[in-house]
Amino acid sequence: DAGVIQSPRHEVTEMGQEVTLRCKPISGHNSLFWYRQTMMRGLELLIYFNNNVPIDDSGMPEDRFSAKMPNASFSTLKIQPSEPRDSAVYFCASSPTSGSLTGELFFGEGSRLTVL
Amino acid sequence: QQPVQSPQAVILREGEDAVINCSSSKALYSVHWYRQKHGEAPVFLMILLKGGEQKGHDKISASFNEKKQQSSLYLTASQLSYSGTYFCGTSIGYSTLTFGKGTMLLVSP
Repeated sequence: DAGVIQSPRHEVTEMGQEVTLRCKPISGHNSLFWYRQTMMRGLELLIYFNNNVPIDDSGMPEDRFSAKMPNASFSTLKIQPSEPRDSAVYFCASSPTSGSLTGELFFGEGSRLTVL
Repeated sequence: QQPVQSPQAVILREGEDAVINCSSSKALYSVHWYRQKHGEAPVFLMILLKGGEQKGHDKISASFNEKKQQSSLYLTASQLSYSGTYFCGTSIGYSTLTFGKGTMLLVSP
C-alpha cells in the first residue's frame, strides 16, 4: 500500500516567492496533519484537518501560511511570501482515527524547504 | 504545551541499556513514542493511554505514570538499528499531538 506522499521532496526558492507543498494522505484516513521540523523547535504542529475540515490551525505561524484540503485525497500548504526563517522540513501525516488520541500517525517523507 | 524530554542525547555501546524520559506540566490523556532516523520520516513505536500501563515492542518498552504526567521509554540491550532521534508526543484530553524536541540516541559497535 502506498504511504503518505509528499511533493516536492526538496524546494529551494528565493525570499518573497510563493511556495506550495502538496500531500496525498493514505486512502481511508480521515485525519491529516501538517508539521514543521527545525533543529531549534523540533516538530511543530501547524494545522490539523478532520474529514477535510480544518479543526485546529493555531500552529500556523502567520497569515503568510495557508492550508487547504479540497478533498479526502489531497492537501496543500502554501507560503506566500516566503522568508528565510521558513526554511525547514515540512511533514504531512495522516491517521485513520479522528484526532491523534489513539491513532498512529503515518508520516510522509517530508518536503525540505530552503528559502534564500 | 510542549513536553520536555531528557536527556537531549545519549551515546551507548551495543548491548547497553538506555532510558528516555518525557514529562508534561499538564494532565495527559496519552503518550506516543516515535523514532526518526536521519533524513527520514518519524516512525511510530507505541501509544500509551492513561491508566499507568506499560507496553513493550521487542526490546523497547515504555511506561506511563499518569499522576506524575511522565512517560519513560526503555531500550534494553541496544542494537545498532536503535540509533536515531526519539520523540514523545503528548495529547491533553481531546486534542492533537504535541511533540517534544527529541532525544538523539547513538549506538556504537
